[in-house]
Amino acid sequence: DQQVKQNSPSLSVQEGRISILNCDYTNSMFDYFLWYKKYPAEGPTFLISISSIKDKNEDGRFTVFLNKSAKHLSLHIVPSQPGDSAVYFCAASEVKDYKLSFGAGTTVTVRA
Amino acid sequence: GAGVSQSPSNKVTEKGKDVELRCDPISGHTALYWYRQSLGQGLEFLIYFQGNSAPDKSGLPSDRFSAERTGGSVSTLTIQRTQQEDSAVYLCASSLASDYGYTFGSGTRLTVV
Repeated sequence: DQQVKQNSPSLSVQEGRISILNCDYTNSMFDYFLWYKKYPAEGPTFLISISSIKDKNEDGRFTVFLNKSAKHLSLHIVPSQPGDSAVYFCAASEVKDYKLSFGAGTTVTVRA
Repeated sequence: GAGVSQSPSNKVTEKGKDVELRCDPISGHTALYWYRQSLGQGLEFLIYFQGNSAPDKSGLPSDRFSAERTGGSVSTLTIQRTQQEDSAVYLCASSLASDYGYTFGSGTRLTVV
């Protein structure tokens, strides 16, 4: 039973435009949400996180939005750059620094 | 080392053989996790270590899977009598309790033929 779902397996966006990645979850006990980025043949790299007491967290070009009532979060990348082409995983946990439930990932391709 | 190191990076094994996968976490990281990613799937939690203890083994798929950690550092994931459905990328991660997010290794790609 997958508790974290990324319903878009892929996303193609033009360089300079905004990339919006979506994630839905079912477990109302989740309190921490994270996004990871993964290049081929490498492990996932932590990108940005948000706790349930916030609805927005921003770090440079990356912003994560959390809508707890809808059990939905999104990652905005603006402006998108070619180096952003990667697989992005949404993840959530009930307790900070504990086991994460991951979505299946969204492959982002940034076109020049 | 500076990052989480996993070995081997690739392993091809015959069905029925045992395999051992190794993880060297970041020095000083007390928490260590094993995940696996099957083709087209998200990362699936296997086991969590805090120091040398494994308070959560709930993700191990069967009793053919076991893991240990020694000296609060290196961890070994052992799969006995491998099956084709064990084929996946096995990822290890470590963290400090105060950190947000883990640091993952590059993984071991296991192929059972």
